[in-house]
Amino acid sequence: KNQVEQSPQSLIILEGKNCTLQCNYTVSPFSNLRWYKQDTGRGPVSLTIMTFSENTKSNGRYTATLDADTKQSSLHITASQLSDSASYICVVSAIYGGSQGNLIFGKGTKLSVKP
Amino acid sequence: NAGVTQTPKFQVLKTGQSMTLQCAQDMNHEYMSWYRQDPGMGLRLIHYSVGAGITDQGEVPNGYNVSRSTTEDFPLRLLSAAPSQTSVYFCASSYLQGALDSPLHFGNGTRLTVT
Repeated sequence: KNQVEQSPQSLIILEGKNCTLQCNYTVSPFSNLRWYKQDTGRGPVSLTIMTFSENTKSNGRYTATLDADTKQSSLHITASQLSDSASYICVVSAIYGGSQGNLIFGKGTKLSVKP
Repeated sequence: NAGVTQTPKFQVLKTGQSMTLQCAQDMNHEYMSWYRQDPGMGLRLIHYSVGAGITDQGEVPNGYNVSRSTTEDFPLRLLSAAPSQTSVYFCASSYLQGALDSPLHFGNGTRLTVT
């Protein structure tokens, strides 16, 4: 069964500190892996998309890594800010027969950044 | 640039009532979809469309209908609301779901309560 597991479920850090969120997946065949940021009361917003051949992708203070062999990804946030408080969702796209893939969503990690 | 617009933001229904959640996008995206987000669960796909006149079922389609008469609009109809349909509903669009550089663009959701 295709699954995406995220850890931890929640995390509290102090402003200015770094943190790393984890995503493990069992999705086959794999197309790409995405990280989204969801602020409270808002829709998810795309941070990065990585394909099988990409190991690292950055978007400002956000750096995502992908190990397709171990089926693991991480999202590293550098020098956290209060505005980083949000849920971070890992999404894996599977390639099925036909023209459309399928997206498998993780349950998200809720990050709280405290002053 | 409005992106994906959902209305209403909040709605309370009584069991058995029907209603339509509206979704419009101004990015000329072919692909549009509806998700529901429940506490402790990842986003789950209800219905999707790859173009005007074409719709298909997702993971949890029961109790919902959709139609796509234009590229811009993709309304979601609840036929006879049930308390199990209490959730936050997100509409999302993209150029092509499987495209490697085409992330989903989400609206800010409709929070529905069925009593």
